[in-house]
Amino acid sequence: NLMLTQPHSVSESPGKTVTISCTHSSGSFGSNFVQWYQQRPGSAPTTVIYKDDQRPSGVPDRFSGSIDSSSNSASLTISGLKTEDEADYYCQSYDTTNVIFGGGTKLTVL
Amino acid sequence: QVQLQESGPGLVKSSETLSLTCIVSGDSISSSYWSWIRQPPGKGLEWIGYIYYSGSTKYNPSLKSRVTMSVDTSKNQFSLKLTSLTAADTAVYYCARGVMATIGVDFWGQGTLVTVSS
Repeated sequence: NLMLTQPHSVSESPGKTVTISCTHSSGSFGSNFVQWYQQRPGSAPTTVIYKDDQRPSGVPDRFSGSIDSSSNSASLTISGLKTEDEADYYCQSYDTTNVIFGGGTKLTVL
Repeated sequence: QVQLQESGPGLVKSSETLSLTCIVSGDSISSSYWSWIRQPPGKGLEWIGYIYYSGSTKYNPSLKSRVTMSVDTSKNQFSLKLTSLTAADTAVYYCARGVMATIGVDFWGQGTLVTVSS
C-alpha cells in the first residue's frame, strides 16, 4: 500500500527558504500527481500546490512544488518565509485503490 | 467562489450511524466529483472517499465496508453515511470539491466536528 512520508516538523527564520519533502513508499510517483495543502491552526486545509507544481490563483509565487524522480520524492519549497506561513503542510497523491495523504509537517517560523 | 458547508450531528453514539450532508454553492454538483476527508483531533488527514455526480463512488479500502456516499443533484448536495461507529471515528469531517485531472481537491468546507460517545 502506498505511503507518503514527510518530516514531522521543520523550522526556519522569517525571510529564509524551507523545503518540505514527501517520499513515495513504493517508488516513483509516475504519472500520479501530487498536491500540497496548508492548514493553519483551527482552520480547514487550503490548496497551495496542485498537479505537482501548479499554484492556484491567490497563492503567492513564494510557494513552489517539484518532483525529484531520482529520490522518489516530491517537495514543497517556501521562500521569503513569513510568520503567516506557520502551519501544517500535507502532501497528497494516489494509487489505483486509494487516495493518500502524508502524515503532515509542522512548519514553525521563528 | 465555490463554497461547501457540512451539516450533521456533532455527537453520535457508539455503534450508531453517522449521516452528514454537504451543501454546495457557487458551482453545480454535476461539474465534478466530491470528496469526504476526516481528521481526528491532533492527527493528520484521512481520505474517506469520493462520489461523481453520476453516483459512481470510490472509497478508502479501510472504511469501505462502513461507508456509503450519495448525491442529490436537485439540491446540489452530497452525503456521507458511516455505520458501526466507534471512538476512533471521532474527527473533524470535511467535504471538498475534487479535481478529476489530479485526483486532488481544490475547495474545502470548513469542517464539522463529530464526537462518538459511548
